[in-house]
Amino acid sequence: DTAVSQTPKYLVTQMGNDKSIKCEQNLGHDTMYWYKQDSKKFLKIMFSYNNKELIINETVPNRFSPKSPDKAHLNLHINSLELGDSAVYFCASSLQGQGNEKLFFGSGTQLSVL
Amino acid sequence: RKEVEQDPGPFNVPEGATVAFNCTYSNSASQSFFWYRQDCRKEPKLLMSVYSSGNEDGRFTAQLNRASQYISLLIRDSKLSDSATYLCAVNSYNNAGNMLTFGGGTRLMVKP
Repeated sequence: DTAVSQTPKYLVTQMGNDKSIKCEQNLGHDTMYWYKQDSKKFLKIMFSYNNKELIINETVPNRFSPKSPDKAHLNLHINSLELGDSAVYFCASSLQGQGNEKLFFGSGTQLSVL
Repeated sequence: RKEVEQDPGPFNVPEGATVAFNCTYSNSASQSFFWYRQDCRKEPKLLMSVYSSGNEDGRFTAQLNRASQYISLLIRDSKLSDSATYLCAVNSYNNAGNMLTFGGGTRLMVKP
């Protein structure tokens, strides 16, 4: 009964490949997010979706394409992977996307690009 | 200047010690403030929200200083289990919508 679940937990791949990370939340939240945490531990927002609509896109290369088939799912597809994409990617959700809400994070996907 | 800044530490303290971290933010229009805790190789989890009047939850006290644009977290009677990275998060609203910006985290290590 994990609240925010993302798969896979680990992803090791070669440069130039295309890969996807899936995320699902069973909390009934309207807003979902993707965050990237680099090797220096900075956690930066990449995208947010509210009820399947893109709300925030924080200057992320267009090789990253989020897809939200419904408000409980937000997947992240990455084309032409680069070494600098290596990081931990966290999916998160919040009730309505209001600023004073608690974020619930998934357990993260550690992406290693070789 | 980064939007949200924290001393990365590590802060090495003995059990039972009191330790405090600060977090500065640059956007004076920021409205909401939080402390998250992140254990090694785990996801961040909300520790506490920070209210204007300051708030306390057991051994943890959070305070906001709007004039100097920083928030603080005080941990009393440190336990070994408090060892973790503490991330501050500041919300602001811009053209893109509500955004929660995280600091780089402060690492705390509590020693026996």
